[in-house]
Order: sequence, then C-alpha cells, then structure tokens
Amino acid sequence: DVKVTQSSRYLVKRTGEKVFLECVQDMDHENMFWYRQDPGLGLRLIYFSYDVKMKEKGDIPEGYSVSREKKERFSLILESASTNQTSMYLCASSTPGQHTYEQYFGPGTRLTVT
Amino acid sequence: GNSVTQMEGPVTLSEEAFLTINCTYTATGYPSLFWYVQYPGEGLQLLLKATKADDKGSNKGFEATYRKETTSFHLEKGSVQVSDSAVYFCALTLTGFQKLVFGTGTRLLVSP
Repeated sequence: DVKVTQSSRYLVKRTGEKVFLECVQDMDHENMFWYRQDPGLGLRLIYFSYDVKMKEKGDIPEGYSVSREKKERFSLILESASTNQTSMYLCASSTPGQHTYEQYFGPGTRLTVT
Repeated sequence: GNSVTQMEGPVTLSEEAFLTINCTYTATGYPSLFWYVQYPGEGLQLLLKATKADDKGSNKGFEATYRKETTSFHLEKGSVQVSDSAVYFCALTLTGFQKLVFGTGTRLLVSP
C-alpha cells in the first residue's frame, strides 16, 4: 500500500513565524502536491513537483514556498505565517500511468495561526 | 477552463436510503473522472474512477457513470450506511496533465 505521511496532525503557530510542513511518501512516486482545504472552497493546489528540485506553482502559491531535495520528501514553507493561512493542509503523491493519474493523500495537517 | 461543480450539502439521509450526489464538469479535453472520499479526521481516499465516456466506476457499493453527453459523473449508492458519513469530492484530470481539479465537496450525513 502507498503511504503518505505528514509530520504533524495539528500545529499551532504565531503570526510571523516561519512554518515547515513535511510530507514523505514511500512508493517512489515522481509527483507530489500540496493542497489547502477550506470549507466551501474544496481543495486548492498550492504547489506541485514533478521531480527532485522541480517545482511548479499551483492556483494559490502566494505566501508559500516548497522544497524537494529528495524524491520521497516534499516540504511546504510558510515564510511568515499569517492568520489567513489557518487551514487544513494536505499532501499527495502520484505516478503517471495508464491515463489515471490517481493521487494518494496523507492524513492532513491542521494549522492554526494565532 | 476546467472545473467541477458539485451539489451543495449537507445531504442528510436515513440508513438504507438511496444516495445521489450530483457532479458536472467543464473540460477543454477528454478528462478522467474521480470520486474521492474523506472520512472524519482523515485525508482523501480514491473511491472510484472512470477514464472514458460510458465507463462505470464502482467500489464499496458506490457507482458513477461517465456521461459525456451531459458532462456528468453522478455518485450513487442503493443503500447507505452510517459509516458512509463523510465528505465526497468529485474531481477530474486531463490526459497529459498531472493535476487534479476538485469540486467543493459534498458532506453526507447518515443517521440510524
């Protein structure tokens, strides 16, 4: 079974802090994704990566950056956390195959910025 | 552009009732379609998928048929259980692209 793990289930940070959210997958997937989930808005893509050291902006990259130094690990960085970044953050991974592009999700990190 | 529209929730049903959650899409090409489910406190799991027109995806008693003529992928289940209470997301992806486009999600609440 594919396993995607995220470093924390719950996180509370103060405004202005630098925040790191870590995601690790164990299936040698090329693609990794960071989403945020908010009520009434569904999932919105922040950043994604096709390969090590590769990154692409998603739909809402402002205020975020990412790092992918190893294939299995994809980090989301909030350079200076703000209260409007309070949200559920979901990591996912996938590998291209037979036109399905299924994504496998981690359990999520609920971040509260006070 | 590419987008997915789902019916707003919550959908509230009694156990053993019939479920339909509507999903329609707009896509510039020929998408693959998915239903994901999120149980309380968990991440999303793929529930079922369909990759071409008239395909029927099915899993755990849930079904959805890819209808190109109506650009729809409605989720159905003949008899829901309390354990089906969750948020359901319809999504699409286009051949050659790696990104999923999600709907806003529909919360299902099933009471005994």
